[in-house]
Amino acid sequence: QVQLVQSGAEVKKPGASVRVSCKASGYTFTEYYLHWVRQAPGQGFEWMGWINPHSGVTDLEERFQDRVTMTRDTSISTAYMEITNLRSDDTAVYYCARQGVTWLGAWFDPWGQGTRVTVSS
Amino acid sequence: EIVLTQSPGTLSLSPGERATLSCRARQTVSSSDLAWYQHKPGQAPRLLIYDASSRATGIPDRFSGSGSGTDFTLTITRLEPEDFAVYYCHHYRSSHRTFGQGTKVEIK
Repeated sequence: QVQLVQSGAEVKKPGASVRVSCKASGYTFTEYYLHWVRQAPGQGFEWMGWINPHSGVTDLEERFQDRVTMTRDTSISTAYMEITNLRSDDTAVYYCARQGVTWLGAWFDPWGQGTRVTVSS
Repeated sequence: EIVLTQSPGTLSLSPGERATLSCRARQTVSSSDLAWYQHKPGQAPRLLIYDASSRATGIPDRFSGSGSGTDFTLTITRLEPEDFAVYYCHHYRSSHRTFGQGTKVEIK
């Protein structure tokens, strides 16, 4: 079955960087856009951006463009999301989510299980 | 970006009751651009409805979506114990994908 498995929880100090991975299985990795979404404690979901696993092209929400990088390794069907210069308000659960269909601009299905990132001194 | 406002914030109901959740957009949304997800603590969000009214694969028929323009509704006809969770609407067609703030359906 289609599955996205994310890396484990991270605890980082302010100013550090973190990279979260999202390993896909059960489908052709390069055929579906992948999105990253985060949820801060007690808050709703915040969309961060997408990556086209075939081309590597990304589109990030403006507020994330200076500190977030999305990449992929097609040889191991894995996408990555890196945040640099972490701040306390980056503390959140980060999710990867696949588009439900192959064209851009569609619902997300499935989602990964989430990766908790805690930023604390 | 499309701002989505969900109401109520919390819905306290008993198993077997009907749940009606609202998602209101600040501007007109195409019916083909709205989804609903269920989210339980520590789990991956689960797609319930896409294109406003299409049920996702494997979703029980007690879940239904409706609406158009600026007003959308998720209805759960008879709440089962496993339905108590947080529900989010999602606008996915624009370059700035947005989510509502969620409605928590809790056991009364």
